[in-house]
Amino acid sequence: SQTIHQWPATLVQPVGSPLSLECTVEGTSNPNLYWYRQAAGRGLQLLFYSVGIGQISSEVPQNLSASRPQDRQFILSSKKLLLSDSGFYLCAWSMTGSGNTIYFGEGSWLTVV
Amino acid sequence: DQQVKQNSPSLSVQEGRISILNCDYTNSMFDYFLWYKKYPAEGPTFLISISSIKDKNEDGRFTVFLNKSAKHLSLHIVPSQPGDSAVYFCAATNSGGYQKVTFGTGTKLQVIP
Repeated sequence: SQTIHQWPATLVQPVGSPLSLECTVEGTSNPNLYWYRQAAGRGLQLLFYSVGIGQISSEVPQNLSASRPQDRQFILSSKKLLLSDSGFYLCAWSMTGSGNTIYFGEGSWLTVV
Repeated sequence: DQQVKQNSPSLSVQEGRISILNCDYTNSMFDYFLWYKKYPAEGPTFLISISSIKDKNEDGRFTVFLNKSAKHLSLHIVPSQPGDSAVYFCAATNSGGYQKVTFGTGTKLQVIP
């Protein structure tokens, strides 16, 4: 069966510090990978998605970037965090192709202070 | 542009009664729809989906109805249980080419014992 894990689960970072959230998927090959953010009082906002190694699509202009160095690894990064980057970040995957159910990781709480 | 809308931010229902959560979409290219349930500080869990070739899909206590002409779908939970209390997200995608899934803003369901 397929599993998805992301870490760290929670982190508190000062403004201006870097960020790295990591996500890995097991039990499948060539998945679509996604980073979503849920800000307080808002829905799930798609930040990035990837259909293959090195292929990243950005949905919103922001202070964040994503990379996919390996088939089942997806990394969310920032060089300098802003207060507005605080939120609940979710990694997700779906089967290759389109129109498939996506499955979420456990989420990572980021508080920028 | 919010392509998937959940106009009711919250809903309270008595235990044992029916819960009806509604969702509207604007993009006529969407043809695959999903419902997720989310507890605080956890990743969303997939509940049920429906393809546009159907108008109803049932799984246990959960039934999703799709009205393509009205671009409207709803999730029925019968009977409602206290453990159903969570935020429910409606989502939509296109099986013919979209790699991403668009989410609504969520409806917080409270089932009162």
